This record gives sequence, structure tokens and C-alpha cells, in this order.
Amino acid sequence: DGGITQSPKYLFRKEGQNVTLSCEQNLNHDAMYWYRQDPGQGLRLIYYSQIVNDFQKGDIAEGYSVSREKKESFPLTVTSAQKNPTAFYLCASSMEGWAPQHFGDGTRLSIL
Amino acid sequence: GENVEQHPSTLSVQEGDSAVIKCTYSDSASNYFPWYKQELGKGPQLIIDIRSNVGEKKDQRIAVTLNKTAKHFSLHITETQPEDSAVYFCAATWPGQGNLIFGKGTKLSVKP
Repeated sequence: DGGITQSPKYLFRKEGQNVTLSCEQNLNHDAMYWYRQDPGQGLRLIYYSQIVNDFQKGDIAEGYSVSREKKESFPLTVTSAQKNPTAFYLCASSMEGWAPQHFGDGTRLSIL
Repeated sequence: GENVEQHPSTLSVQEGDSAVIKCTYSDSASNYFPWYKQELGKGPQLIIDIRSNVGEKKDQRIAVTLNKTAKHFSLHITETQPEDSAVYFCAATWPGQGNLIFGKGTKLSVKP
């Protein structure tokens, strides 16, 4: 059954720690995306990648980093430089940048 | 760049009534307009989309209309049911944009 898998569902971070959120897709999609969702803020784009080994900053990339070494995987690292990391993080993929996006069920990150 | 405005931010209707959510976009190059439904704790799911070569598209109780001249598109839900309660997002994009531009969302509540 094709889809996008995000793990873990809940994640806790200590002050000063980097944490990595996993996103895997088996839809054979070229493009992948990371969004941050805060209450009442909608979806804000962090990073996106249209092809392996290439990615672009979105609207709120500061304090985050990504890699795209494999077509199926697009992990997001929330670094200690991100001062307000508590949020719901969503990963998505699509055939192309302007095609329908398919979303995972998110990772909720909280600060201890 | 593209900007998408979505109204209203909250909408409450009685079961069986119709609900309408409206979005306006700024970039006349946009030609793909999807709508997503997000239930609590889940990722958004595509419910319907429309491309600029058509003015209306319907899928059972859900319809989307597009007015390219006025640069707005709307989601219409008829005979609403409690399970329609969710947050709805509109989006717009065009080939070459690289990603979807989302509205801020509408929280729909359907009262039994």
C-alpha cells in the first residue's frame, strides 16, 4: 500500500539538542516537502526537494536542515538554532512541484 | 510571488446545510487549485482539485468553482454531515512554481 510514513509520531527535545524527523515515501514521487504547522497558522514551508541531491529553502528554513540522498527519503533535522521548535511537522510528496501533494500523518515535536 | 487568501477562518453550520469556503489568489499564472481536508492529529488529504481549463468540478457532495477573471475559487459542500467537521485548506500553483501555496485554513464545524 503506497504512502508516506513519518516517524516518530511524538518527539521530545531537550534544550540545545538536534533532533531528526524521518519521512519515507514509496509512491515513486520526485518531489518532497516539509511543512510546519502551528495553531491558526496554516502550513508554512520549511524546505522542499524536487530531485535527489537537490533542495531549496522555503519560507521558514532558519534553524532547520535537510538532506535528499535517496528518492524515498527526506529527513528533517531541527537544530538547536531553532528557538521555538514546538510544532506539528508534516512531510509531503508529489510527482512534480505543481502536482497534487500527498501528506504523512505528521510528527509532533515538543520541548522538555 | 503567489499569495492565497482564504475566508472565513471559522465556519459553523447545521447538519444538512451547505458550506462555502472561498479563496483568492494573486498570480494570474496559477493554473492548479487543490483543496485539502485535515482531521485532528492527521495530515491533510486531497479532497478535490481543479485546473484552470475548467470552471467547475463536482464529486458527490463536494464541488469546486473557479473564476479566473476574478482570481478566486470556492469549495462547496452540500448536505453537510458531522464527519465533514475538519480544517480545510485551499492552495494554488503553476508549473515552475515548485510547490503549492496554501491558504491559512478554515475550521468547519457541523452541528448535529
